[in-house]
Amino acid sequence: QKEVEQNSGPLSVPEGAIASLNCTYSDRVSQSFFWYRQYSGKSPELIMSIYSNGDKEDGRFTAQLNKASQYVSLLIRDSQPSDSATYLCAVNGRYGNKLVFGAGTILRVKS
Amino acid sequence: EAGVAQSPRYKIIEKRQSVAFWCNPISGHATLYWYQQILGQGPKLLIQFQNNGVVDDSQLPKDRFSAERLKGVDSTLKIQPAKLEDSAVYLCASSSRDDRGKGYTFGSGTRLTVV
Repeated sequence: QKEVEQNSGPLSVPEGAIASLNCTYSDRVSQSFFWYRQYSGKSPELIMSIYSNGDKEDGRFTAQLNKASQYVSLLIRDSQPSDSATYLCAVNGRYGNKLVFGAGTILRVKS
Repeated sequence: EAGVAQSPRYKIIEKRQSVAFWCNPISGHATLYWYQQILGQGPKLLIQFQNNGVVDDSQLPKDRFSAERLKGVDSTLKIQPAKLEDSAVYLCASSSRDDRGKGYTFGSGTRLTVV
């Protein structure tokens, strides 16, 4: 079982729709969860972090965490073509401050 | 605040050659990470330094990869000899003690192509 699992996609949504990206993790002691956005040919960029069960909103982005189900999600409201990218879920490892990444979900927003 | 600096941006070498990458972290950041990202995959941690000491190198292929951070500031990652499967983007990131649990910022990466 992979430590962090994501559906590779691509996930295609029309402009203005809500994009829903999902991630599961295997280590129950993980405490910190992150979403990174990566445009083609660029390095990953941190867009959201979440530490407690529930929802965290930042602009058009909402991160959701359910530790009992070991599940993290990212919702993007009013999706724009500029949101087209690969979204990487990352989880703090058991030791130290290292992040373990999923393989990423490709999001395509069609205008 | 200047970001994480990496060089070179691109490198093309033949298999069995050697190559080195350089990273300068954000000023004052004690922790430095090297990740490998193969096309279509997520970044994979190769090595984590705390100051000039190694915290985690469990996924570093030590028969061909080496890394150092002698003065606890900048770092070099070396591959010798390179294999075709080493073609990837090598990402460096850094974090401070205050950033613990907050994620970290990556440099622009070095894209390595082994032919």
